[in-house]
Amino acid sequence: AQRVTQPEKLLSVFKGAPVELKCNYSYSGSPELFWYVQYSRQRLQLLLRHISRESIKGFTADLNKGETSFHLKKPFAQEEDSAMYYCALSVLYYGNNRLAFGKGNQVVVIP
Amino acid sequence: DVKVTQSSRYLVKRTGEKVFLECVQDMDHENMFWYRQDPGLGLRLIYFSYDVKMKEKGDIPEGYSVSREKKERFSLILESASTNQTSMYLCASSLTAGGYGYTFGSGTRLTVV
Repeated sequence: AQRVTQPEKLLSVFKGAPVELKCNYSYSGSPELFWYVQYSRQRLQLLLRHISRESIKGFTADLNKGETSFHLKKPFAQEEDSAMYYCALSVLYYGNNRLAFGKGNQVVVIP
Repeated sequence: DVKVTQSSRYLVKRTGEKVFLECVQDMDHENMFWYRQDPGLGLRLIYFSYDVKMKEKGDIPEGYSVSREKKERFSLILESASTNQTSMYLCASSLTAGGYGYTFGSGTRLTVV
C-alpha cells in the first residue's frame, strides 16, 4: 500500500522562526515526491518536487530514502507562508501514475 | 496562462438530487482527476481519466460516476446526492500523470442539504 503521512495538522510559528513540515511515505517502488501549497482563496499549486532539487520561496525539501521522509523546511518564516501544505507521492496504480496526497498541514505564521 | 475551470464555485443541492460538476481544461492534457478535499482528511482521489472515454476508480468512488466524452472536459456526477458528500471538489489535469505540473481548478464547494 502507498501512504503519505503528515503528522501535524496545525503548525504555528512566529515570523522569522524556522519552519519544518514533516512528511513520511511508504512505497515499495522508487518514490517521486512533491509539496503542494494552497494559499487562502487560491488554487492548489505545486511548490516543489524532489527531482528538481530546487528552492522555491525559500523552501527546500530533501528526499531521505533511508528514513522514507521528505520534510519541507524554511529557515525564516514569513507571513505570506501562511497556507495549507500537502505532501504528495506519485504512485504506480494499475500501470498508470497518479498522486497520493497526505492529509495536509495548516501553517500559521504569527507576526 | 493555462487554466482548469470548474463551472461553479458554490453549489447547494438537496438530498437525492443528481448533481453534475463540470471541469474544463484548455491545455490539451490527457490526464484529468477529481479529488475531494476535507479538513483533516486531505485530498482523496475519486476518479481519474487518462484518455477520452476512459475512466478509473480512485480511492473513494462510491456514490460517484464520471464522464469524459471530450478531451478537455471531465464531469463528476453524484447520482443521488447525500449529506456526506458535502465537500470541496477539486479538478486537476496534467500532461503526465506522475505529478509533474498538475494544474488544479479553483474548486467547487458543494453543500447537500
